[in-house]
Amino acid sequence: AQSVTQPDIHITVSEGASLELRCNYSYGATPYLFWYVQSPGQGLQLLLKYFSGDTLVQGIKGFEAEFKRSQSSFNLRKPSVHWSDAAEYFCAVGARGSGTYKYIFGTGTRLKVLA
Amino acid sequence: NAGVTQTPKFQVLKTGQSMTLQCAQDMNHEYMSWYRQDPGMGLRLIHYSVGAGITDQGEVPNGYNVSRSTTEDFPLRLLSAAPSQTSVYFCASRPRDRVRNSPLHFGNGTRLTVT
Repeated sequence: AQSVTQPDIHITVSEGASLELRCNYSYGATPYLFWYVQSPGQGLQLLLKYFSGDTLVQGIKGFEAEFKRSQSSFNLRKPSVHWSDAAEYFCAVGARGSGTYKYIFGTGTRLKVLA
Repeated sequence: NAGVTQTPKFQVLKTGQSMTLQCAQDMNHEYMSWYRQDPGMGLRLIHYSVGAGITDQGEVPNGYNVSRSTTEDFPLRLLSAAPSQTSVYFCASRPRDRVRNSPLHFGNGTRLTVT
């Protein structure tokens, strides 16, 4: 069965420090992979996506993610975190289901940024 | 361009009451879906639709009904609300499957409390 695991429920970093959020997926075929960000009281906004090609994907707000097939991972990174990055981050996989693609989400990682 | 619009933003129900959560999108997306978000559980798919007149169940469909009479609208009905349905509900849409790697577009959510 398809699944997404985000092993870190909470992460705290200082402003200006680097960030890596982990995501592991389980899916038999080549996955569609996504990272979304959710600010308090808001819906989810797409940060970046991967389907094929270059395994290092650039997104909005200075984020990037690297697809590693051998590790079934799609970790999100940012070289220098800003206070406005404090939010909840969700990894998702698009998996072929009965007749269409379904999107399976991880449980999320809540990021706190210290001034 | 409004994107995905959900109403109401907040709702309090008593156990046994019924209500409809509204979702409308103006992007001509064929695929629409409803998720619920609960702490520590990420987003779980309730129902989805791949076009007008076509709906299917997600992973947590019990207690919810949907219909899709137009491309734009995808309402979610709670026939007899239960405290276990206290959650934040998100509607999301995307283009049809032929548009590869298309991400979901989310509304801003409806926070429902059942007492």
